[in-house]
Amino acid sequence: AQSVTQPDIHITVSEGASLELRCNYSYGATPYLFWYVQSPGQGLQLLLKYFSGDTLVQGIKGFEAEFKRSQSSFNLRKPSVHWSDAAEYFCAVGANEPGGYNKLIFGAGTRLAVHP
Amino acid sequence: ETGVTQSPTHLIKTRGQQVTLRCSSQSGHNTVSWYQQALGQGPQFIFQYYREEENGRGNFPPRFSGLQFPNYSSELNVNALELDDSALYLCASSRGQGKTGANVLTFGAGSRLTVL
Repeated sequence: AQSVTQPDIHITVSEGASLELRCNYSYGATPYLFWYVQSPGQGLQLLLKYFSGDTLVQGIKGFEAEFKRSQSSFNLRKPSVHWSDAAEYFCAVGANEPGGYNKLIFGAGTRLAVHP
Repeated sequence: ETGVTQSPTHLIKTRGQQVTLRCSSQSGHNTVSWYQQALGQGPQFIFQYYREEENGRGNFPPRFSGLQFPNYSSELNVNALELDDSALYLCASSRGQGKTGANVLTFGAGSRLTVL
């Protein structure tokens, strides 16, 4: 079955520290992978995506993610966290469905808190 | 370009009532998807509309229905509301028929529904 697992429900880091949010997926075909961020009262904003090619992808706000097929992982990283990065982060896989449509399958999210 | 706009932002209903949520797609986008995000969970796919027809549905009962209009705006209707329908409802638009999981979605800020 297709699924996305984000093992960490809640992470707290100090401002300026590095960050890694974990994401593991289960999908039979080549995955299309996404990271979205959701601030309180906001919708989902796309941080970055991986479709093919270079397994290290760069996104907005200084985020990057690395696709590792052997580990079925797509972890999100940032070298130095800012207080404004406090939000909820969702990893998702784009699934092609029979009948010719697609949907995103999301993980449960990781809530990031940033200490000054 | 304008993004995805949703209305209303918040609403409260009682069990058994009906609700209609509205969504305006991003300019140039012709496909609309709806997601339900319960508290503390990731968004779950409800259905997708393309060319005014539903072309994909997730694991939601028939009392969840939708419409897409010629201008690509959309409505989500929920009949016979249940307490578990309390959630943030997210609309997302994209370009194309959505046959590939590589389709990039643009999300609105959501409509938060509370059912008492």
